[in-house]
Amino acid sequence: DTAVSQTPKYLVTQMGNDKSIKCEQNLGHDTMYWYKQDSKKFLKIMFSYNNKELIINETVPNRFSPKSPDKAHLNLHINSLELGDSAVYFCASSQGDGLASPLHFGNGTRLTVT
Amino acid sequence: GNSVTQMEGPVTLSEEAFLTINCTYTATGYPSLFWYVQYPGEGLQLLLKATKADDKGSNKGFEATYRKETTSFHLEKGSVQVSDSAVYFCALIGGARQLTFGSGTQLTVLP
Repeated sequence: DTAVSQTPKYLVTQMGNDKSIKCEQNLGHDTMYWYKQDSKKFLKIMFSYNNKELIINETVPNRFSPKSPDKAHLNLHINSLELGDSAVYFCASSQGDGLASPLHFGNGTRLTVT
Repeated sequence: GNSVTQMEGPVTLSEEAFLTINCTYTATGYPSLFWYVQYPGEGLQLLLKATKADDKGSNKGFEATYRKETTSFHLEKGSVQVSDSAVYFCALIGGARQLTFGSGTQLTVLP
């Protein structure tokens, strides 16, 4: 059973389009995250939700909007896609802040904007 | 704020060579320290951690010791295998209770 699953695995789209990436975790964790990994493997946190409430919102363009319908899901919607949005996006979850229990990551969604 | 600095990669080693990946940190208080590993095509997974000074984390032959005096958490393995090829991330959780990652170090082990 996949603990953190995100779909799609690959997403190729044109500039200006709107797209969504879905994430689900079956670990019963109360905290979920979105990270962006660039071509140099640098990993940057974008958002964090705890029990469906936004607790971390880093400096991310407001074209990116996370939505958490319940504790097990955290989706990422991106409006008006730009070339610079091309990256691998990782969803993750943890129980609490990741101190006592580690973050569990999905396998990533590779977004390519042309 | 908190920050983590890792040695720049890529690192290329022959099988059975000794591995060290340097990691130093800046944080207020007493952070917990982690190494995460990312295998090709996968997400990150926890490799080991240490929560207080002089603690040694270990897993799969990898070790790292929390050195408060040098603010370091270097990753070591005595004999690497081809299957260890991956990207390794040093990370910390400090007073802000937020996980901060280093920039990652790509390791390639050749047979």
